Amino acid sequence: DVQMTQSPSYLAASPGESVSISCKASKSISTYLAWYQEKPGKANKLLIYSGSTLQSGTPSRFSGSGSGTDFTLTIRSLEPEDFTVYYCQHYNEYPPTFGAGTKLELK
Amino acid sequence: EVQLVESGGGLVQPGRSLKLSCAASGFTFSNYYMAWVRQAPKKGLEWVATISTSGSRTYYPDSVKGRFTISRDNAKSSLYLQMNSLKSEDTATYYCARRTNYGSYVGFFDYWGQGVMVTVSS
Repeated sequence: DVQMTQSPSYLAASPGESVSISCKASKSISTYLAWYQEKPGKANKLLIYSGSTLQSGTPSRFSGSGSGTDFTLTIRSLEPEDFTVYYCQHYNEYPPTFGAGTKLELK
Repeated sequence: EVQLVESGGGLVQPGRSLKLSCAASGFTFSNYYMAWVRQAPKKGLEWVATISTSGSRTYYPDSVKGRFTISRDNAKSSLYLQMNSLKSEDTATYYCARRTNYGSYVGFFDYWGQGVMVTVSS
């Protein structure tokens, strides 16, 4: 199985700042990578797929980059609603696996 | 508006069975692969099963293969997960998810339900 190593596990920032979350695959997954946002009491939200393509409705302050084994989710000019948990997921082969998650906290 | 609403969760003893349901609305259910994903308490997400549009193809990770069965009823726009021989490690919130119609054959998930809790304990 492809292991997805997401870092950091916790990240503290302030509104207006920019942050980056890393996701590393244990083998090349081309650009078959998605990013999700998790909020308490709400359904998980797809943010980005194919490594860098924004899902319809995802604010432009979110961006994704990378290919092969190294991927990054960047959030620019953080808004209050961005302080939550983020997951990456590869879909290169079965089984699809997720990163362990990054909790973005208010500094 | 796409909606996925899970039901059927609860407390069950180890070794027993439970069947989850997911009612879908807001899209043509029969056109999409569907999946179940779970999240154990304080843990990350784990894919559990995927089913093709007709139900003829199903996919599972080794952790549930042979114990869980995913199925669907396109006439009722419903997805199911039959879970047998349940173990304590199956304790999790189970999410119904719609797999997109593009990307790799494995796919990613563009809509999720809010989840249903399953607790396996004596």
